[in-house]
Amino acid sequence: ILNVEQSPQSLHVQEGDSTNFTCSFPSSNFYALHWYRWETAKSPEALFVMTLNGDEKKKGRISATLNTKEGYSYLYIKGSQPEDSATYLCALLGIGSSNTGKLIFGQGTTLQVKP
Amino acid sequence: DGGITQSPKYLFRKEGQNVTLSCEQNLNHDAMYWYRQDPGQGLRLIYYSQIVNDFQKGDIAEGYSVSREKKESFPLTVTSAQKNPTAFYLCASTPPGGYSNQPQHFGDGTRLSIL
Repeated sequence: ILNVEQSPQSLHVQEGDSTNFTCSFPSSNFYALHWYRWETAKSPEALFVMTLNGDEKKKGRISATLNTKEGYSYLYIKGSQPEDSATYLCALLGIGSSNTGKLIFGQGTTLQVKP
Repeated sequence: DGGITQSPKYLFRKEGQNVTLSCEQNLNHDAMYWYRQDPGQGLRLIYYSQIVNDFQKGDIAEGYSVSREKKESFPLTVTSAQKNPTAFYLCASTPPGGYSNQPQHFGDGTRLSIL
C-alpha cells in the first residue's frame, strides 16, 4: 500500500511569518503530485499539480517544489495571513493509477495563522 | 456556475438502515470519486467511476454501494453492512484530458452520523 506522509500535522504561526511543510511519498511510484487547500466549511480547492522533478510552481504567496528522486515536495507560504488558515493536503497519483486518476492522500497539515 | 453539489449536508442513520448520499456535477466530467474522511486521517477512496455504467472499488468499498446511470450523478449508498459509517464524505470529479495534469474538483461534503 502506498503511503503519503505530511509533516507537521499542525502548525501555528503569527501573521507575517513565512512557513513551509512537507509531503513525502515513495519515489519509485511517482506519476504526479497534487496540492489542495481545504478551508473550514468549504470544499478542497486545487493549488498545484506537479509532474516534473525540480518543478516549482507559484500562486500568489504560495509556492511548491518537487523532488521526485528523493520523494518529497515542499509547500511554502510567504508572509502568512489569517486567510491562509486551512488544512493543506497533498496527494500522489501513482504510476499504477495514471489511467484511473486514483489519488493517495496524506493526512494533511493544518495551518492556523494568528493575527 | 459549474460545480459539484452534495446533499444533504448532514445526515443521520439509524442502526440497520441504508442511507444514500447524493452527488451531482454539471462540469461535464467523466470521472467521479467518493472519499471518506475520519479524524486524523487522509481522504480514503471508497468507489470511483470513469464512465457511465461503470465503477470500481476503491480502498475501503466494503459496506458501500454506488451507481452511475448518468454522467452527472454518482450516488453513494451506505448500507447496514458498514459498521462504522460515522464520517465526513466527499465527492469529487476530474476533467477529461488526462489524469496526470488535471486536479480533482470537490463538493462541500456530507457529514453522516449514527443515531
